[in-house]
Amino acid sequence: SQQGEEDPQALSIQEGENATMNCSYKTSINNLQWYRQNSGRGLVHLILIRSNEREKHSGRLRVTLDTSKKSSSLLITASRAADTASYFCATDEAGNMLTFGGGTRLMVKP
Amino acid sequence: EAGVVQSPRYKIIEKKQPVAFWCNPISGHNTLYWYLQNLGQGPELLIRYENEEAVDDSQLPKDRFSAERLKGVDSTLKIQPAELGDSAVYLCASSLGPSSYNEQFFGPGTRLTVL
Repeated sequence: SQQGEEDPQALSIQEGENATMNCSYKTSINNLQWYRQNSGRGLVHLILIRSNEREKHSGRLRVTLDTSKKSSSLLITASRAADTASYFCATDEAGNMLTFGGGTRLMVKP
Repeated sequence: EAGVVQSPRYKIIEKKQPVAFWCNPISGHNTLYWYLQNLGQGPELLIRYENEEAVDDSQLPKDRFSAERLKGVDSTLKIQPAELGDSAVYLCASSLGPSSYNEQFFGPGTRLTVL
C-alpha cells in the first residue's frame, strides 16, 4: 500500500521555470523524504524534513511541510533538462518503514 | 566507494520458472531492503533485514517469494514459480541502521519480465 500521494502525476515545463510538486499523506509521521529516480535507475535521496520543521532548503530545492494538512511540497527552482525524472515522497509510519507515494513525472524541456 | 550493486539488471523468463536476484549493499550498512516497483508507481517494501535477521516481511508473498541474507551482507531474493503479475522492477536498498532518519541508498534494480 502507498501512503503518500503526489500531485500532479505528470508535469512538463520549460528549462528555467520552477517546478512544484505536492505530496499528501494520511497518518502521523516523524519525517518526510523526497527521492528522485531517473529513467531506468534507482532512487536517489534528495532531502529529509522532520515533523517539527516547516521548511528546508538544499541548493535549488525547497521543501515545505504542513503537518496540520498532512501535506508537503517540493519546489525546484530554475529547472534544468537534467532535472527530468520521477520524484517520490516517502513517509515513515510506525516502525521506521518508509512508504512511498506514486510519484510525479517531471519533464523539463530544453 | 561502490554503491548498492544488483544483478542481473534484466531478466526475462517464462511463467512458472524460478528466478533469483542478488544484492550487495554498501559496506558497513546493517539494514537491507527489498522493494517491488510496478510501472508508474512508487516502490513497495517486500522485506527488511537487520543484519541477517528478516523483519518487516509482512508484504512478502511467502508462498512463492523467499529471501535470505547470509552472514548479514549479500542478499538473494527468489521467486518460485514466477507468475505474469510478478513482472516489475525489484529494487535493493541499504542504510546504516533501521531508523527512518537514515538515508536509504538504492541499487539500479532488476527489471523482471515474465512471459
